[in-house]
Amino acid sequence: EAGVTQSPTHLIKTRGQQATLRCSPISGHTSVYWYQQALGLGLQFLLWYDEGEERNRGNFPPRFSGRQFPNYSSELNVNALELEDSALYLCASSLTGRGSTGELFFGEGSRLTVL
Amino acid sequence: GEDVEQSLFLSVREGDSSVINCTYTDSSSTYLYWYKQEPGAGLQLLTYIFSNMDMKQDQRLTVLLNKKDKHLSLRIADTQTGDSAIYFCAETTGGYNKLIFGAGTRLAVHP
Repeated sequence: EAGVTQSPTHLIKTRGQQATLRCSPISGHTSVYWYQQALGLGLQFLLWYDEGEERNRGNFPPRFSGRQFPNYSSELNVNALELEDSALYLCASSLTGRGSTGELFFGEGSRLTVL
Repeated sequence: GEDVEQSLFLSVREGDSSVINCTYTDSSSTYLYWYKQEPGAGLQLLTYIFSNMDMKQDQRLTVLLNKKDKHLSLRIADTQTGDSAIYFCAETTGGYNKLIFGAGTRLAVHP
């Protein structure tokens, strides 16, 4: 069974541009999470989508946005890129509902570099 | 507030035990987790503990939970070079499906 897949693996942009990152969850998982892992800062929670709706949002500016499609895949968009947006963006998926342990299954990440 | 704290670095000798500590803030957390991140890879769940448990053992891994002090630890017995990685502690908060991670503890295993 395929795990969480993310694309692209690497992305280089310049300041002010927009970046789009994509994630496909494990089959049967309806929840998708986005985390930012900047150097030395651990994982910062960005967004949580479930059943096509944004359920929760971390402490990030509105230029970080995303969506979840009917097939549960997800996109993360970062507008007006700034140098400090350079980071590894990790997507994770999970089952929801009673009996779920809340375990997140992570993809290998998309590394965004802003020059 | 939501906060998970870990020490940033731990160095141990091969064959010794490693103990990685974590403190969390949300006393209503249902589950607490330990994830492992190897270089260039995503995170992988190592183990988790339900909040009504004090201890969980899984092969070389032992998780201890002190709910009163909101303290979680991960002990790795007979640490090997392959255990070198970053270890993240995480708590569920704001609903059991949202995980808040610590900054990660980098474990270095030397001969």
